[in-house]
Amino acid sequence: RKEVEQDPGPFNVPEGATVAFNCTYSNSASQSFFWYRQDCRKEPKLLMSVYSSGNEDGRFTAQLNRASQYISLLIRDSKLSDSATYLCVEKTSYDKVIFGPGTSLSVIP
Amino acid sequence: GAVVSQHPSWVICKSGTSVKIECRSLDFQATTMFWYRQFPKQSLMLMATSNEGSKATYEQGVEKDKFLINHASLTLSTLTVTSAHPEDSSFYICSARDHASYNEQFFGPGTRLTVL
Repeated sequence: RKEVEQDPGPFNVPEGATVAFNCTYSNSASQSFFWYRQDCRKEPKLLMSVYSSGNEDGRFTAQLNRASQYISLLIRDSKLSDSATYLCVEKTSYDKVIFGPGTSLSVIP
Repeated sequence: GAVVSQHPSWVICKSGTSVKIECRSLDFQATTMFWYRQFPKQSLMLMATSNEGSKATYEQGVEKDKFLINHASLTLSTLTVTSAHPEDSSFYICSARDHASYNEQFFGPGTRLTVL
């Protein structure tokens, strides 16, 4: 089983839609999780950290479910500029960073 | 925010040659730098972790004699792909971390390597 798993998509959604991605991880001891965004042929950029209590940044909400070992990212009111690949990232207890395979999102007009 | 640069941004070389890629932290001291490789439509795969002044730690399956990493200063790490072959063609990305932002890595823009 892969350490971090994501549905690769693609998710094709209309502008204004709400879309959610899930990511599962296998290491129950991991403490830190992140969502990164990667545009085609560019480097990943940090979108947001994921905390146990959940966190929200504008249209983006991230949640962590330790019991089921998954994290989620919710995007509300999708914009065309949200089209990208979203990478789920796990930082393990021994300081290793593991990237998920990414979920591709296309927001269409 | 913290800025990481990479040079070159792209390189095309003949099979059998060696290619050096530089990763620099421009406005902070990077005690740790990471080297990743990303093949088309795949995620980033960590190749090695480099700590300033010490030997790099390579991930399983990554040949340390083929991918030479040097982290001689707090602002510069280099990755040398020795005797490159077409299967080494990939997008190589470095990232850097300092003490102040322990959890966050700052990524360089990547280097696209094509080996003919």
